[in-house]
Amino acid sequence: NAGVMQNPRHLVRRRGQEARLRCSPMKGHSHVYWYRQLPEEGLKFMVYLQKENIIDESGMPKERFSAEFPKEGPSILRIQQVVRGDSAAYFCASSSPGGKSSPLHFGNGTRLTVT
Amino acid sequence: AQSVTQLDSQVPVFEEAPVELRCNYSSSVSVYLFWYVQYPNQGLQLLLKYLSGSTLVKGINGFEAEFNKSQTSFHLRKPSVHISDTAEYFCAVSRTGNQFYFGTGTSLTVIP
Repeated sequence: NAGVMQNPRHLVRRRGQEARLRCSPMKGHSHVYWYRQLPEEGLKFMVYLQKENIIDESGMPKERFSAEFPKEGPSILRIQQVVRGDSAAYFCASSSPGGKSSPLHFGNGTRLTVT
Repeated sequence: AQSVTQLDSQVPVFEEAPVELRCNYSSSVSVYLFWYVQYPNQGLQLLLKYLSGSTLVKGINGFEAEFNKSQTSFHLRKPSVHISDTAEYFCAVSRTGNQFYFGTGTSLTVIP
């Protein structure tokens, strides 16, 4: 089974451009989470999605950030008009709907650099 | 809401020495507990998890953790570390199985 696939691994954007980060969950997983990791900091929760639904976006900035998990295709984290402070590693994780004990499985992340 | 505290941000230890990475959580209800490891430029990998039952949980790579409900702790231990254990370690807690809260991580450096 393929694990959680994220692409691109590295993304460079200039200030003001848009960044699109993609995440394909593990086969059979319908829950997707996005986390941001800054240097010397831990993982910050951003958003939790199930197919076609945003369940919890309490960790996502209200402006410029959006996420979706369509019925078909990968989950997308979109950052509009990027600023230098958006530079970070963004990790996607997925879990199965099999119950409360399903752990998260992580992708290798997308490292966004804003120049 | 749950929170997770990893008391040590950096832990240096000599090769073949024992190590303990501390994790405390705050929750008034039963939770599920996890330890993850992150190697450089990679995502997080599950080391072990506590769901219920025995309070001593064994994971991969020789790691184990003990759930202590009275002290709300879930410390990670290994009796003899290797150079390859150098990595970032994250403790996480979940109550519902749908929300996961991570600590800020502990950087373990194994010294030859």
